[in-house]
Amino acid sequence: GAVVSQHPSRVICKSGTSVKIECRSLDFQATTMFWYRQFPKQSLMLMATSNEGSKATYEQGVEKDKFLINHASLTLSTLTVTSAHPEDSSFYICSVRTTNQPQHFGDGTRLSIL
Amino acid sequence: QKEVEQNSGPLSVPEGAIASLNCTYSDRGSQSFFWYRQYSGKSPELIMSIYSNGDKEDGRFTAQLNKASQYVSLLIRDSQPSDSATYLCAVTANTGFQKLVFGTGTRLLVSP
Repeated sequence: GAVVSQHPSRVICKSGTSVKIECRSLDFQATTMFWYRQFPKQSLMLMATSNEGSKATYEQGVEKDKFLINHASLTLSTLTVTSAHPEDSSFYICSVRTTNQPQHFGDGTRLSIL
Repeated sequence: QKEVEQNSGPLSVPEGAIASLNCTYSDRGSQSFFWYRQYSGKSPELIMSIYSNGDKEDGRFTAQLNKASQYVSLLIRDSQPSDSATYLCAVTANTGFQKLVFGTGTRLLVSP
């Protein structure tokens, strides 16, 4: 069964809207979750590492004020794309890391900004 | 130099043949290596993980790791059309958070 639940699966909204994506760990308490972005025909690029109870660690070039991450519990991390614009349209995927186990990915969220 | 390199393909093989996918990585401190399969429009699905030099077999899949050569490969025996997908090689960065660094993926096409 699914280890990670990601919601919503698809979002279409107008430019300037803020969009929240949820990532839930179903079977494990996840102290660490990861957020990736994938543009068409490109590989996954890590955006940030979400740490339960502390600030997220962002990769170089990712704006922390635009991509807000909250990891308030051991089973839930959220990514909010603030004031989204067409260039933010992408496939956003979260993953959960458990101790000594490979990362498991959510089903992804396809974000389309008009 | 990219951290994880893969031939983008497409790699075309006939049904029943062996598909061989290759990956090289630059960070000698990398400890964990993974192959993920990604169908179009879907998120990656873990196929194999390998942590030590040598071969690891799981059903039709065999992962091979050579840390001295910084090389990891995936063999798919008896390839099926359903194996047609993009295969992503991922390597754990040598950091405390176990970040994954992905290659750009190799597209595999298995023809009936």
